[in-house]
Amino acid sequence: DAKTTQPPSMDCAEGRAANLPCNHSTISGNEYVYWYRQIHSQGPQYIIHGLKNNETNEMASLIITEDRKSSTLILPHATLRDTAVYYCIVRVGVDNDMRFGAGTRLTVKP
Amino acid sequence: GAVVSQHPSWVICKSGTSVKIECRSLDFQATTMFWYRQFPKQSLMLMATSNEGSKATYEQGVEKDKFLINHASLTLSTLTVTSAHPEDSSFYICSARASGVGYTFGSGTRLTVV
Repeated sequence: DAKTTQPPSMDCAEGRAANLPCNHSTISGNEYVYWYRQIHSQGPQYIIHGLKNNETNEMASLIITEDRKSSTLILPHATLRDTAVYYCIVRVGVDNDMRFGAGTRLTVKP
Repeated sequence: GAVVSQHPSWVICKSGTSVKIECRSLDFQATTMFWYRQFPKQSLMLMATSNEGSKATYEQGVEKDKFLINHASLTLSTLTVTSAHPEDSSFYICSARASGVGYTFGSGTRLTVV
C-alpha cells in the first residue's frame, strides 16, 4: 500500500472549515484513499473514502487532485467534538488490511 | 450500521497473569478480524490478522506465544495477553471486516499491568 504523509498537527477555529491535507505521491491506480479519525481513547471511526472523484457525505468532503497524488479532507463547520487524530490511508479496495500512519492531530478551538 | 463490541473497556492486572480481551461483531459475520496495539501518543500498530477457523497471522516482531488469538466463530475473536508485564500496558483495539461492510473498529481496551 502507498505511503501517506500528513502534517502532525493543525488547529481550527470552531465553526470554520477544517482542511486536512494528505500526500500520497506513490498511489497506484487501483488504490483508494480512506479517512478515519480517532477521538481520544476510542476506536477509529470511518469518515469517507474515494478513488478518483470528489466525495461528500454527512460528515465531510474528500477532494482528490487530478493526478491523485494528494487529497484534502474538509470538515465544513468544525465543532469541538471534531478534535481528534485524523488518519489518511491508501489501500487497494475494502478487503486489504488497514495500516495507520502517524495522522494529523486536529484541535478545534472555541 | 455494523457494530463491533469490545470487552472489557479497561482492565488492570498483576504482572505475570493473563488477560483475555473479546471482540464481537454484533450484527454481521466477520470473515476477518484484526488486532491493533496503540501506545500513548502513537499510532495504531497492526499486531495480527485472523480468519475464522484458521491460525492468526502475526506481524513481524509480535510474539505469537504471548499474544494468543482465537477466532472460533464468525462473530467472536479473542486476544489473550499471557504472562503480562508492565511493558504490555497499552490500548488494544480490534477490527472486524466483512465483504460489503468494510472495516469496523471496536472501542478499544486499556490494559494496565501493575
